[in-house]
Amino acid sequence: NAGVTQTPKFQVLKTGQSMTLQCAQDMNHEYMSWYRQDPGMGLRLIHYSVGAGITDQGEVPNGYNVSRSTTEDFPLRLLSAAPSQTSVYFCASSRGQLITDTQYFGPGTRLTVL
Amino acid sequence: GQQVMQIPQYQHVQEGEDFTTYCNSSTTLSNIQWYKQRPGGHPVFLIQLVKSGEVKKQKRLTFQFGEAKKNSSLHITATQTTDVGTYFCAGQDQGGSEKLVFGKGTKLTVNP
Repeated sequence: NAGVTQTPKFQVLKTGQSMTLQCAQDMNHEYMSWYRQDPGMGLRLIHYSVGAGITDQGEVPNGYNVSRSTTEDFPLRLLSAAPSQTSVYFCASSRGQLITDTQYFGPGTRLTVL
Repeated sequence: GQQVMQIPQYQHVQEGEDFTTYCNSSTTLSNIQWYKQRPGGHPVFLIQLVKSGEVKKQKRLTFQFGEAKKNSSLHITATQTTDVGTYFCAGQDQGGSEKLVFGKGTKLTVNP
């Protein structure tokens, strides 16, 4: 198993550009989520999904869209990049949500918005 | 909304000294998880606590969940340079939230 994979590893955007951060898992996990990590701020939940076709907002959803058309993939779209979105983005997945299961994190995408 | 506070933010120790990080939630938790993130890496799951007053050990690491299920601690005995990293707690609200709320983490550095 590859676990949770994220692409790209690094990305530089100009203000106003859009892009999609890819996340995929091969563990047949139902729950997937996106976090952003900023210095001194810990991990903040952007969006999450409890299964294919179901998504919901987390703590900091503004400026981001998600969709979950398959169990394996959970892409994060930046609609119009802003410097405040410069961050490290982590995708995570877990087996279920009856009792919060272990979150398996991807290696992260380091995004810089100029 | 639910808040999870973690102290201290930074901790520097000499190798061999003990280390403790504390986690407090504004709401009662159904469970709490602990993660470790090495510099430049991603968070890695350490343990999950579910029961009130629960204590779990992993070699030199001891994890506790408070009786009221609103606080938790991670204690490392005789730190080693391999313990360097940031330790995060993450809690799920007892009210059935599908979200896991992370503390801001405690960054541990160890002087050899």
